[in-house]
Amino acid sequence: EAGVVQSPRYKIIEKKQPVAFWCNPISGHNTLYWYLQNLGQGPELLIRYENEEAVDDSQLPKDRFSAERLKGVDSTLKIQPAELGDSAVYLCASSLDLYSPLHFGNGTRLTVT
Amino acid sequence: RKEVEQDPGPFNVPEGATVAFNCTYSNSASQSFFWYRQDCRKEPKLLMSVYSSGNEDGRFTAQLNRASQYISLLIRDSKLSDSATYLCVGLYGQNFVFGPGTRLSVLP
Repeated sequence: EAGVVQSPRYKIIEKKQPVAFWCNPISGHNTLYWYLQNLGQGPELLIRYENEEAVDDSQLPKDRFSAERLKGVDSTLKIQPAELGDSAVYLCASSLDLYSPLHFGNGTRLTVT
Repeated sequence: RKEVEQDPGPFNVPEGATVAFNCTYSNSASQSFFWYRQDCRKEPKLLMSVYSSGNEDGRFTAQLNRASQYISLLIRDSKLSDSATYLCVGLYGQNFVFGPGTRLSVLP
């Protein structure tokens, strides 16, 4: 089966610019996650979707971050405006249901200069 | 205190050695645990689930001790290809919480 697909693989932007990441989960996986991973740390949850509904966005900095999953399939994560501290790897993951293991995409490495 | 804690390492071991990692968790309500492996500049990949009765997959053995609230991963006969970061993950409610990872380097 095809895995979780993310794009772009790398992104370099100047601070205060907007940026968007895209994710297409494994076919049939209803649950989609966006994680942020800093160097030397484990992934930290930003938002979790069940189909098109954001069921947990408590860790999402809503002043600058937004996400959508309009048809319950692929998803977009946006940052506007980006700050230097947003430099990290943004990982998308999907799972068959709430209790099944996660499958990750290869991530987007963001550098804000 | 973080929900899932791990010794960050690095653990440097010779090829063929046996190495064990521990992971402690603070919330006894966690329902499930997993070990993920992450290679440098790659995404995390599921290594194995952790069952209360313990489970083994080839050279890898995972144990869960609910009374002491820790999970362990044992790797026997280490290979150079086992060099990676090993992430302990707990399922709390409906969210997966990751530990910071333990870095393993297997040396020739």
